[in-house]
Amino acid sequence: NAGVTQTPKFQVLKTGQSMTLQCAQDMNHNSMYWYRQDPGMGLRLIYYSASEGTTDKGEVPNGYNVSRLNKREFSLRLESAAPSQTSVYFCASSGQGALGYTFGSGTRLTVV
Amino acid sequence: KNEVEQSPQNLTAQEGEFITINCSYSVGISALHWLQQHPGGGIVSLFMLSSGKKKHGRLIATINIQEKHSSLHITASHPRDSAVYICAVQYYKYIFGTGTRLKVLA
Repeated sequence: NAGVTQTPKFQVLKTGQSMTLQCAQDMNHNSMYWYRQDPGMGLRLIYYSASEGTTDKGEVPNGYNVSRLNKREFSLRLESAAPSQTSVYFCASSGQGALGYTFGSGTRLTVV
Repeated sequence: KNEVEQSPQNLTAQEGEFITINCSYSVGISALHWLQQHPGGGIVSLFMLSSGKKKHGRLIATINIQEKHSSLHITASHPRDSAVYICAVQYYKYIFGTGTRLKVLA
């Protein structure tokens, strides 16, 4: 099925460990996004990529890095995880079309 | 003050009721999105609006650009409509509301 595939779905990290969240879309969308969702707060943009080869900081970029590997893939890396990064992470893409966004299923990350 | 405010925060309705969720924003926007987040966590785009009104099945979304206000209506509500409904506005960036948690009782 066409859409956004996000892995892993769950992850537990120890403080200081690193990991990469993977995201791939097969809808030929130009724009891709990484959001985090915390209780009582709206989705907050971490980084986005308007097109292949470009990335820009969002609202909460500190502690994260991203790579737009090609048009399909946009990865999010935590170099040294901290408990404040415990959250649910969503990847999304957008392009021409009536609905705008397509979201991945989310990654629930716990940093202990 | 948040740039995007949704009301109510929580809503419980009986099956069959007509439901309205409101979104007010304070910035000039190019588009407004309504999203649905199911209890399992997945997020689905329902509508993207820049003016007027859109309808999809039992869902209707309206926007008044001058008043900076949008509404999402659900007609003949059903327990499967139980979810969190999120409003997001698009200008040079996207800002998301904190969501309205809807529970529809059978």
